[in-house]
Amino acid sequence: AQSVTQPDIHITVSEGASLELRCNYSYGATPYLFWYVQSPGQGLQLLLKYFSGDTLVQGIKGFEAEFKRSQSSFNLRKPSVHWSDAAEYFCAVGAWNYGGSQGNLIFGKGTKLSVKP
Amino acid sequence: DGGITQSPKYLFRKEGQNVTLSCEQNLNHDAMYWYRQDPGQGLRLIYYSQIVNDFQKGDIAEGYSVSREKKESFPLTVTSAQKNPTAFYLCASSRGRGPTDTQYFGPGTRLTVL
Repeated sequence: AQSVTQPDIHITVSEGASLELRCNYSYGATPYLFWYVQSPGQGLQLLLKYFSGDTLVQGIKGFEAEFKRSQSSFNLRKPSVHWSDAAEYFCAVGAWNYGGSQGNLIFGKGTKLSVKP
Repeated sequence: DGGITQSPKYLFRKEGQNVTLSCEQNLNHDAMYWYRQDPGQGLRLIYYSQIVNDFQKGDIAEGYSVSREKKESFPLTVTSAQKNPTAFYLCASSRGRGPTDTQYFGPGTRLTVL
């Protein structure tokens, strides 16, 4: 069965420091991968997605993610974190929806990012 | 501007009442979704619809009902059978049901049972 694991529930980094959020997936076929961000009390916003090609994907707000098939990972990175990046981040894998109890995206449980001044 | 709207932003319900959460999209998307979000539990799928007049139960459909009479609208009713309805509810839509179809989210409705 497809699944997504985000091993870190909560991460705190200092403003200006680099950031890496981990995401591991379990999927038999070629994975289609997404990262979303959710500010407190808001909906989710798409940061970036990977379908094929270059394994380093650039997104909005200065984020990037690298797909590593050998490690079944799709980690999100940012070179220098800003206080406005404090939010919850969700990794997701796309799946064919054959009418079961899941939709076309399987989400991880999220990583909450706090930023210290 | 194309997007997804949810209303109301905040909703208060007395125990034993049914309430309906609104979700409208003008993206011309075929598929729509309802998620429930509780602290530390991520997103849990309640119901989804791939096309008008059709919908499927998600992982936690008990105590909820939906309808899809129009392509742009997918209202969610939280019934009195839902034992713990206090949560943040998110609506989303996607062009299709394939693995590359990005889901776009509304701003959410926070439901509180008094």
